[in-house]
Amino acid sequence: DTAVSQTPKYLVTQMGNDKSIKCEQNLGHDTMYWYKQDSKKFLKIMFSYNNKELIINETVPNRFSPKSPDKAHLNLHINSLELGDSAVYFCASSQAGPSGRNEQFFGPGTRLTVL
Amino acid sequence: DQQVKQNSPSLSVQEGRISILNCDYTNSMFDYFLWYKKYPAEGPTFLISISSIKDKNEDGRFTVFLNKSAKHLSLHIVPSQPGDSAVYFCAASQGYKLVFGAGTILRVKS
Repeated sequence: DTAVSQTPKYLVTQMGNDKSIKCEQNLGHDTMYWYKQDSKKFLKIMFSYNNKELIINETVPNRFSPKSPDKAHLNLHINSLELGDSAVYFCASSQAGPSGRNEQFFGPGTRLTVL
Repeated sequence: DQQVKQNSPSLSVQEGRISILNCDYTNSMFDYFLWYKKYPAEGPTFLISISSIKDKNEDGRFTVFLNKSAKHLSLHIVPSQPGDSAVYFCAASQGYKLVFGAGTILRVKS
């Protein structure tokens, strides 16, 4: 039984299109995250939601909009896709608080290719 | 501005020997440090962590050492096995946020 799942696993699309990536966790965690792993392989936090409230919003173009319908789901919608958006996007979840270990569980990633 | 740095992009080790992966950080407010392991086409998986108030944590073949004055930590794997071949990420925790290093590719040769 998959703990953190993402769909789709691969996404190939044209510049200018709008696309969504979905994430679900069945761990009962309160906090979910979106990360971007770029061509230099850095994993960078984009957004985080705790109990459906946005708690982290890094410097990300406003073409990226996260949505959390409930605490088990965090979706990422991207408008007007650009070449530079090509990357692997990882969803994660944790039972994190404002301090502590913050062990995060990651999904398998979505490889987005913008042509 | 990289707050967590892994300066060795790759490391190659013989099976049975020790693997040592290093990580440096700049922010003294980090309260936990974590190591993650990542296989191709999979998400990172948690390996081991250490609190900023400790200097060592051990779990089976994996030991993490923290030198707070040098803002340096290292992951030791003894003995190394071919299945340990993966990318290892160092991460630092501050509140809800994890800050990751760029990763080190470990290859264990049999």
